[in-house]
Amino acid sequence: AQSVTQLDSQVPVFEEAPVELRCNYSSSVSVYLFWYVQYPNQGLQLLLKYLSGSTLVESINGFEAEFNKSQTSFHLRKPSVHISDTAEYFCAVAPGNQGGKLIFGQGTELSVKP
Amino acid sequence: DAEITQSPRHKITETGRQVTLACHQTWNHNNMFWYRQDLGHGLRLIHYSYGVHDTNKGEVSDGYSVSRSNTEDLPLTLESAASSQTSVYFCASSEQMSSYNEQFFGPGTRLTVL
Repeated sequence: AQSVTQLDSQVPVFEEAPVELRCNYSSSVSVYLFWYVQYPNQGLQLLLKYLSGSTLVESINGFEAEFNKSQTSFHLRKPSVHISDTAEYFCAVAPGNQGGKLIFGQGTELSVKP
Repeated sequence: DAEITQSPRHKITETGRQVTLACHQTWNHNNMFWYRQDLGHGLRLIHYSYGVHDTNKGEVSDGYSVSRSNTEDLPLTLESAASSQTSVYFCASSEQMSSYNEQFFGPGTRLTVL
């Protein structure tokens, strides 16, 4: 079985500060890794994903995540956040042998304050 | 533009009533998924379908059913609504069974069972 743990339920930060949202997973099979973002009153949108190759993946709006196989982690970082980054962020894994099903973490609410 | 829509966006019902939540996608995706989102649990998979006339149970399927009569629609039915089914429901779709494919999410339906 697979599981995903997001270590922080809420992360308050000030605008222009760096942020890290932590995600650990457990799986006995190889997985693909995703970060989704949910803005208030909206559905989820893909932020970035790790499939293979370089362990550092980037999104178009300045977020990056690093896959660490030995620590089974996929932490999300941004060096300088904006008010518009306020949202809930979900880490998810897709086991390679389970037909595209996603297993989500509990979510981390990022609140950026001026 | 292709999209995935859900209706209604908000629904209040009473315990014991049958409720159907609609999901319609114009991506022409084979895969469709239903999740529920609850505080502290992230998103949990209810049912999913890999194509017409195919349906499968997810992690939290008790009390829910789906049917897939065409590619575009996967309605979710609560046979006899219970207060524990008060939640936000998200429908998603993806192109293929491959686990590396992104899922596209609808805007969600907020269901309250009184």
